[in-house]
Amino acid sequence: AQSVTQPDIHITVSEGASLELRCNYSYGATPYLFWYVQSPGQGLQLLLKYFSGDTLVQGIKGFEAEFKRSQSSFNLRKPSVHWSDAAEYFCAVDDYKLSFGAGTTVTVRA
Amino acid sequence: ETGVTQTPRHLVMGMTNKKSLKCEQHLGHNAMYWYKQSAKKPLELMFVYSLEERVENNSVPSRFSPECPNSSHLFLHLHTLQPEDSALYLCASSQARDSAYGYTFGSGTRLTVV
Repeated sequence: AQSVTQPDIHITVSEGASLELRCNYSYGATPYLFWYVQSPGQGLQLLLKYFSGDTLVQGIKGFEAEFKRSQSSFNLRKPSVHWSDAAEYFCAVDDYKLSFGAGTTVTVRA
Repeated sequence: ETGVTQTPRHLVMGMTNKKSLKCEQHLGHNAMYWYKQSAKKPLELMFVYSLEERVENNSVPSRFSPECPNSSHLFLHLHTLQPEDSALYLCASSQARDSAYGYTFGSGTRLTVV
């Protein structure tokens, strides 16, 4: 069975600084990978997804993620964080159903 | 508006009550899901419906009873719940059961069992 690990439970970053969230997966074949964001009191919103092809994928809100097969990773990045990026971020892998990591909470300080 | 609507947004119920959560989507999706999100835990997939047929039940206690009367609506009937059932219940839908396009989530129902 596949699994997803997000090593960082909580990250604090200054507004305007860069952000990188880590995601590692365990899966036998080439996975479908996703990043979702959840603002307080809201459901999950899809940021971006990877199926195949170009390993660097662009998403909404200025986010991007890079798939690295050799490292079994799919890390999420944003060059310059805005206060509105404070939220919880979930990495997920699709193996006939979506399985989520435990999430990383991002706090943005002024 | 995400395309998936959940009602109510908040629900407080006693352990002896019976209540239902509702989920509605008009995206033309054929698969619908119930997830439970508890604090400090990964999202837990509870039920999967594909073309109105339940295709997965992840060892969920019988006090949770799903119903999918048509491809646009999904219910979660609750009875004799426990305090540990307090959580955010999220509904999601996707184009198909094995959709690689990700899921569309509702905003959730925040359930508190007292």
